[in-house]
Amino acid sequence: AQSVAQPEDQVNVAEGNPLTVKCTYSVSGNPYLFWYVQYPNRGLQFLLKYITGDNLVKGSYGFEAEFNKSQTSFHLKKPSALVSDSALYFCAVRDMNGANNLFFGTGTRLTVIP
Amino acid sequence: DVKVTQSSRYLVKRTGEKVFLECVQDMDHENMFWYRQDPGLGLRLIYFSYDVKMKEKGDIPEGYSVSREKKERFSLILESASTNQTSMYLCASSFDRNTIYFGEGSWLTVV
Repeated sequence: AQSVAQPEDQVNVAEGNPLTVKCTYSVSGNPYLFWYVQYPNRGLQFLLKYITGDNLVKGSYGFEAEFNKSQTSFHLKKPSALVSDSALYFCAVRDMNGANNLFFGTGTRLTVIP
Repeated sequence: DVKVTQSSRYLVKRTGEKVFLECVQDMDHENMFWYRQDPGLGLRLIYFSYDVKMKEKGDIPEGYSVSREKKERFSLILESASTNQTSMYLCASSFDRNTIYFGEGSWLTVV
């Protein structure tokens, strides 16, 4: 079975400060890991993914995420937050060795305060 | 750019009505998906299809059915709408079931 935990429903950060949105996962095999963002009244947009290779993955809009196998985590980060980054962020996982589809977390609402 | 188009953004239907949600993608993707999104529950997979006329149940298929008669089109059907089906419905497509491209969503209210 696969699962994803986003332990924080809400994250607030001041504009210009670094931001982190946390994600931990559980799969039986090796993971494919993803981050998606959802702006108000819109569908989800792909941000970045980890499939294999370098543990630090860079994505759209200056976001990056680090795959940590020992901690089973894939936290999303950005060095300097913008007000326009305020949105709902979803982490997702897929078991590389299975035929399963992506399994999504419950989402974290990021608010960047001007 | 990949485009996934959901024909209706906002719908209000009565309990017991039959509801069709239509979705079209323009990237010749094999895989298409229907999710529902509810606050605090994230996205839950209703059905997916990996080929024309093929369908597989997701995590919450009860009360729903789907149709995929053409590769680009994937329809979600609520045979008899109920108030607990009030939700946002998201269609998506994918080449390899990894990077998934979503439509803008359809807000369904059942009264």
